[in-house]
Amino acid sequence: DGGITQSPKYLFRKEGQNVTLSCEQNLNHDAMYWYRQDPGQGLRLIYYSQIVNDFQKGDIAEGYSVSREKKESFPLTVTSAQKNPTAFYLCASSRPGQGNYGYTFGSGTRLTVV
Amino acid sequence: GNSVTQMEGPVTLSEEAFLTINCTYTATGYPSLFWYVQYPGEGLQLLLKATKADDKGSNKGFEATYRKETTSFHLEKGSVQVSDSAVYFCALSDPGGSYIPTFGRGTSLIVHP
Repeated sequence: DGGITQSPKYLFRKEGQNVTLSCEQNLNHDAMYWYRQDPGQGLRLIYYSQIVNDFQKGDIAEGYSVSREKKESFPLTVTSAQKNPTAFYLCASSRPGQGNYGYTFGSGTRLTVV
Repeated sequence: GNSVTQMEGPVTLSEEAFLTINCTYTATGYPSLFWYVQYPGEGLQLLLKATKADDKGSNKGFEATYRKETTSFHLEKGSVQVSDSAVYFCALSDPGGSYIPTFGRGTSLIVHP
C-alpha cells in the first residue's frame, strides 16, 4: 500500500547537535511538506517542496533545513540554531495543483531535547 | 491571508450524544475545505472534504457542509462513540495560495462511556 513513512518515531537530541528526520513516500506525489505540532498550537508549516530540487520556506523555517534530491524523499534537519526543537514533527504530501484531494500524512516523529 | 478558526476544546460528551465542532475560515479565493482527525501519537488522517459551496462531505457518520455565505464548515455527528475520541482539525486549501494547506488549531473530543 502507498503511504508516507517517517523515521524514527522517537528521537532525542543533545544541546548543540544537529539531527535529521526522514520522510519517504511511495505515492508518486510531487509536493511534500513539513509541519511542527506543539500542544495547543495546531500545525505550523516549516518547509515545503512542490518539485524535486526546489523548496520554499514556510512560516517557521529558522533553525531548520531541508533537501529534495529525489521525488520520494524530503528529509528535515533540525540544526543547533533551533532553540526550542522539542515538538512533534509531521510530514505530508500531495499532488501540486490538486490540493482539493487532500493531503496524506506520515505518523510523525517526536523529537525531545535532553 | 488565509486562516481557519475552530472552537476551543476539549469537547466532552457522553456516548451517543450529538457532536458539533465549529469551524470558520477566511480565504482570498475559492478554497476546498477539509476535516482531519488525529488519534494519540499518530499523524493526521483525512476525514472528509468539500470542494465547492453547498457541497456536503461525509464519512464514518461525520458530516460537514460548505457554507460560503457564512464561511463555515462545521463538523457534525449524530451519535458519537468512545472510539471517536481524538483531535479534529479543520483545514483549507486555496488555489490562490498554491494549495498550501492552512490548518486550525485543532479541537480535542473526549467521549465517555
